[in-house]
Amino acid sequence: QKEVEQNSGPLSVPEGAIASLNCTYSDRVSQSFFWYRQYSGKSPELIMSIYSNGDKEDGRFTAQLNKASQYVSLLIRDSQPSDSATYLCAVKTWAGSYQLTFGKGTKLSVIP
Amino acid sequence: NAGVTQTPKFQVLKTGQSMTLQCAQDMNHNSMYWYRQDPGMGLRLIYYSASEGTTDKGEVPNGYNVSRLNKREFSLRLESAAPSQTSVYFCASSESTGGHYEQYFGPGTRLTVT
Repeated sequence: QKEVEQNSGPLSVPEGAIASLNCTYSDRVSQSFFWYRQYSGKSPELIMSIYSNGDKEDGRFTAQLNKASQYVSLLIRDSQPSDSATYLCAVKTWAGSYQLTFGKGTKLSVIP
Repeated sequence: NAGVTQTPKFQVLKTGQSMTLQCAQDMNHNSMYWYRQDPGMGLRLIYYSASEGTTDKGEVPNGYNVSRLNKREFSLRLESAAPSQTSVYFCASSESTGGHYEQYFGPGTRLTVT
């Protein structure tokens, strides 16, 4: 069973701080990694994807990937109350075909 | 573009009733998926269709059937609903199952089985 692990939180950060969300995965050959944001009662929304080791920045979001450590993270700079949501880490794994395996999500609360 | 649409948004069923959840995408994607999301369990894949004319089981297929009606539409059928199928159901689509292609989700159907 391919696994994706996330701290469930809740993670509370003050407005303006950096929020750091972490994810580890078990499938060593995974090549594609995604972060989704899910507001309460809404569907998952793709916010970042990363495929190569290192950092990828998009606005206030930075995804970091370390395949040797099987670790992917999401940093949110200058956190805003509107960033309060559950963040899902997803890893594309092979199970007879390529499938997305999701972590259970980390709930982030940004305190004004 | 509407992206991925799902109907209905909410549904209440009695145990043993049947229903079909509808999903359509207008992004010309080849691959479509059905997930369920339960508290504490995360998103789990029920069935997927890698391309028009093919369907395959995911992690939790028992109690469900699917039909890939055409490239745009992928439906999920519950033949005899059970309380364990109370969940939020999401449809998703992607250009392909492989590579770096991303999945995009519909708004979901909240199903309660009493």
